[in-house]
Amino acid sequence: ETVLTQSPATLSLSPGERATLSCRASQSISNSLAWYQQKPGQAPRLLIYDASNRATGIPARFSGSGSGTDFTLTISSLEPEDFAFYYCQQRSDWWTFGQGTKVEVK
Amino acid sequence: EVQLLQSGGGLAQPGGSLRLSCAASGFTFSTYGMNWVRQAPGKGLQWVSAIGGGDGRTFYEDSVKGRFTISSDNSKNTLFLQMNSLRAEDTAIYYCAKEMSNGRPFDSWGQGTLVTVSS
Repeated sequence: ETVLTQSPATLSLSPGERATLSCRASQSISNSLAWYQQKPGQAPRLLIYDASNRATGIPARFSGSGSGTDFTLTISSLEPEDFAFYYCQQRSDWWTFGQGTKVEVK
Repeated sequence: EVQLLQSGGGLAQPGGSLRLSCAASGFTFSTYGMNWVRQAPGKGLQWVSAIGGGDGRTFYEDSVKGRFTISSDNSKNTLFLQMNSLRAEDTAIYYCAKEMSNGRPFDSWGQGTLVTVSS
């Protein structure tokens, strides 16, 4: 089973700042990585698929990069609505999720 | 517009059963892989089960194998999760989710339904 490890667990930033979230896979998964955003009381929303492709309707301030075992989600300039939980997901064998990163207001 | 409307869930005793439903609209249901994902209180996301679009193959996370059954009724565009032999650790919000295409990430999600297993 491929394990995904996200860091940091919590990221404390101010609106307008750049957010950089990491996801590391326990073995190579090529570019088979997705990122989701989840706000309290809501279902997750797909942000990025295939490591770097934005899903439909996702603002350009969200970008993804990486391949193999190391991946990054970048939010170029945080908007108030971006403070939320973020999860990475892979499907090299079965679906697994990282444990999540909380982006909170500093 | 894709919509996934969930029903079912609620309170069950340990060892009991519950059935979740997910009514789909806005896409050709039978051709897309569908999944169940759960989230225990205050915890992260955990994939539970999948059913392949077209071939109907089913897949399960190890902790639910032999207890949960995923199925679909393509005539009613509805996904199901039959949960038997429930345990306290099955307590979670359960989401149904549609794959972008078979084996691809989840581009649409249901609203979630709470399952509580407690005596």
